[in-house]
Amino acid sequence: AQTVTQSQPEMSVQEAETVTLSCTYDTSESDYYLFWYKQPPSRQMILVIRQEAYKQQNATENRFSVNFQKAAKSFSLKISDSQLGDAAMYFCAYTSGSARQLTFGSGTQLTVLP
Amino acid sequence: GAVVSQHPSRVICKSGTSVKIECRSLDFQATTMFWYRQFPKQSLMLMATSNEGSKATYEQGVEKDKFLINHASLTLSTLTVTSAHPEDSSFYICSAPGGEVGNTIYFGEGSWLTVV
Repeated sequence: AQTVTQSQPEMSVQEAETVTLSCTYDTSESDYYLFWYKQPPSRQMILVIRQEAYKQQNATENRFSVNFQKAAKSFSLKISDSQLGDAAMYFCAYTSGSARQLTFGSGTQLTVLP
Repeated sequence: GAVVSQHPSRVICKSGTSVKIECRSLDFQATTMFWYRQFPKQSLMLMATSNEGSKATYEQGVEKDKFLINHASLTLSTLTVTSAHPEDSSFYICSAPGGEVGNTIYFGEGSWLTVV
């Protein structure tokens, strides 16, 4: 079975600084997708960034980028120029092949300090 | 863009009663939808896969008689919590794939269920 591990229950960052959230996963599949979702107090799931496993290039979305290490099964999220609005719970998630149900990590609560 | 609408956003029910939560894809068809449950300060756990026109597939440990799922049309899946108990109180959220495989997964707004 696939598993997703987030080893940082809580992280904090100073406004305008950079923070990296860690995620590792375990799978025997070759075709899969990885995601980072942001969940603010409203509980709405907001897609931050998506990575296809077959792509070697790391995904980037404005201030958000990932470091995808396929051999190490690592998928970290880097947030640059952190803003107060970035404060939320962040979940790393995995889905494989044609299946589109997500397996989530335990989450990292990010606090942004003014 | 594609949107998944979930209703109600909050519901309070008495112990022993049943409550229905709807998950609707607004401008796309979803032959498959997924239901997740999230306890406070915990992650989302997949409960079941809702399949249009056929029986839902439940994850291990999820009681299919307590959590009834119906996917009667290509745009609507419903989750009915039957004979609700206080321990069923939780946040329930649905999702639906709306594009190519792994490309886009849309989430509903979620539903807070409180059983008193």
